[in-house]
Amino acid sequence: AQSVSQHNHHVILSEAASLELGCNYSYGGTVNLFWYVQYPGQHLQLLLKYFSGDPLVKGIKGFEAEFIKSKFSFNLRKPSVQWSDTAEYFCAVNYYNTDKLIFGTGTRLQVFP
Amino acid sequence: GAVVSQHPSWVICKSGTSVKIECRSLDFQATTMFWYRQFPKQSLMLMATSNEGSKATYEQGVEKDKFLINHASLTLSTLTVTSAHPEDSSFYICSARDLQEKLFFGSGTQLSVL
Repeated sequence: AQSVSQHNHHVILSEAASLELGCNYSYGGTVNLFWYVQYPGQHLQLLLKYFSGDPLVKGIKGFEAEFIKSKFSFNLRKPSVQWSDTAEYFCAVNYYNTDKLIFGTGTRLQVFP
Repeated sequence: GAVVSQHPSWVICKSGTSVKIECRSLDFQATTMFWYRQFPKQSLMLMATSNEGSKATYEQGVEKDKFLINHASLTLSTLTVTSAHPEDSSFYICSARDLQEKLFFGSGTQLSVL
């Protein structure tokens, strides 16, 4: 079955630490990949997406993600986190020719000053 | 950027009553809207795909008679939870797709059924 796994459920970091959140998806052919963020009290927002081309994708607020096809992974990274990055992060996959977005369970990131 | 308004953000109801949740695309037309639900510590699960002017397509295991979806215009889709029971308590989120195939999410509705 098509599925998305986020292995880190809760991550706690100090400001300026580097961040990497894992995302793996099950094989199902061509995929479009997304990272969404939900800040406390706000709605889901798109951080970045990968459709094709350069597997290293840069998004808003200094985030980037790398698509590694051989590992079925799309990990999210940020070299230096800020307190304002405290939020829930969701990885999502759209398998080609389907309407569905399949979400991971989310990773809660807490950044302490 | 494009905005999707979801209302109400929070609702408490008695068991057996019906609850309607609205999802509006405020500054774009959305021929397709999606309804998700999220249980605590679980991922968002797609419930149904709503297309303007036609019947919604429900995911396997979702009762279409219980979760009524209406997409009567290009800017409004509604989800009605009929005869709600405590097990229907969940976080419901809608999303709308614009003509450029971009997805925008509502802020979600927390439903608590007593």
